[in-house]
Amino acid sequence: AQTVTQSQPEMSVQEAETVTLSCTYDTSESDYYLFWYKQPPSRQMILVIRQEAYKQQNATENRFSVNFQKAAKSFSLKISDSQLGDAAMYFCAYRSGSGGGADGLTFGKGTHLIIQP
Amino acid sequence: KAGVTQTPRYLIKTRGQQVTLSCSPISGHRSVSWYQQTPGQGLQFLFEYFSETQRNKGNFPGRFSGRQFSNSRSEMNVSTLELGDSALYLCASSLVGLPNYGYTFGSGTRLTVV
Repeated sequence: AQTVTQSQPEMSVQEAETVTLSCTYDTSESDYYLFWYKQPPSRQMILVIRQEAYKQQNATENRFSVNFQKAAKSFSLKISDSQLGDAAMYFCAYRSGSGGGADGLTFGKGTHLIIQP
Repeated sequence: KAGVTQTPRYLIKTRGQQVTLSCSPISGHRSVSWYQQTPGQGLQFLFEYFSETQRNKGNFPGRFSGRQFSNSRSEMNVSTLELGDSALYLCASSLVGLPNYGYTFGSGTRLTVV
């Protein structure tokens, strides 16, 4: 079974600065997808960024980018120019590419990101 | 475009009772999955439905069940509630049941078992 580990329960960053959230995963599969989700106090999980394992290029979405190291099984999220609205729980998630993806998402325990004004 | 709608938002039930939660996916989305979120266990996959068929189920007892209707709306049912079933239940929908498609989540149903 796959596992996802987020080693930082909480991170704090000054507004406008850059912060990196860590995520490692364990899998024996070669075909999979990785995601970062954000969960603000409203509880709704919001997709931040997605990475296909077969793509070597790191995904970027505006101020959000990932550092995907497939050999090291590492998938960190970098948030540039942090804004107060970025404050939330951030979850790293894995989804298998085999079996039609019917196994759902495997989530890490999450990192609570605090933005200091 | 309406998002994923989960009802009710909050629910309080007594141990031993049964509960049904509802999820209406984004229009056109045929895949619906359910997750349980607790402080101790985090987010755990419950099951996934695609075109009215349960494709997989997570490691949960048989008290947890679900179904999907022809309009893609889904319900999950928990029978004989236990205190440990208190959690946030999240529903997510996807256009197709393929792994590369991201899920869109609802705001969840907060279930409290007393």
